[in-house]
Amino acid sequence: GAVVSQHPSRVICKSGTSVKIECRSLDFQATTMFWYRQFPKKSLMLMATSNEGSKATYEQGVEKDKFLINHASLTLSTLTVTSAHPEDSSFYICSASLTLLNRGHYNEQFFGPGTRLTVL
Amino acid sequence: SQKIEQNSEALNIQEGKTATLTCNYTNYSPAYLQWYRQDPGRGPVFLLLIRENEKEKRKERLKVTFDTTLKQSLFHITASQPADSATYLCALDSNYQLIWGAGTKLIIKP
Repeated sequence: GAVVSQHPSRVICKSGTSVKIECRSLDFQATTMFWYRQFPKKSLMLMATSNEGSKATYEQGVEKDKFLINHASLTLSTLTVTSAHPEDSSFYICSASLTLLNRGHYNEQFFGPGTRLTVL
Repeated sequence: SQKIEQNSEALNIQEGKTATLTCNYTNYSPAYLQWYRQDPGRGPVFLLLIRENEKEKRKERLKVTFDTTLKQSLFHITASQPADSATYLCALDSNYQLIWGAGTKLIIKP
């Protein structure tokens, strides 16, 4: 159980185009979804946290207008990289949590398989 | 400054031996710590969670320890197999977020 899918798995686009990445929880309702970015041999970098029906909370240094997040339902969150540039090329991973973030409570995250974005 | 550190060098272990990975942190007081496995080009997969009041947690061939005095967690894989080869990430909670280490690459040689 607790499967998260991500689509597409790989995308190559031209500079200036926008790319949408979908993250779906297949067999559970995800209260909270997270979007990460990962560079080779580096740790996961949290970009934003989103709760269904509310605006995403972006981490410091992450441009809201650049990385648009929509969490329209308990099973779907989308990340749109607008006007992509080569420096946006990275591995983007989403995850979903069953419970609201709360200190001391179990907070296992279920990850999608990731999306490799290459901007030419 | 706050840091979470894992050995950046790959760990090479002979099949059948116990692999031990280390996660050290400074200036955090996590309520719990988690370990994940990540294969190349894939998202991380949850393995174990250990709470601050637990010294040790086991799951099949996996064992995690958590020493809040040393600010360290150890992750052990006993009777290691080539299929255990992957990058292992530790993550701790801080201010309602998970803070991630960069991971340690484990290579189990047949």
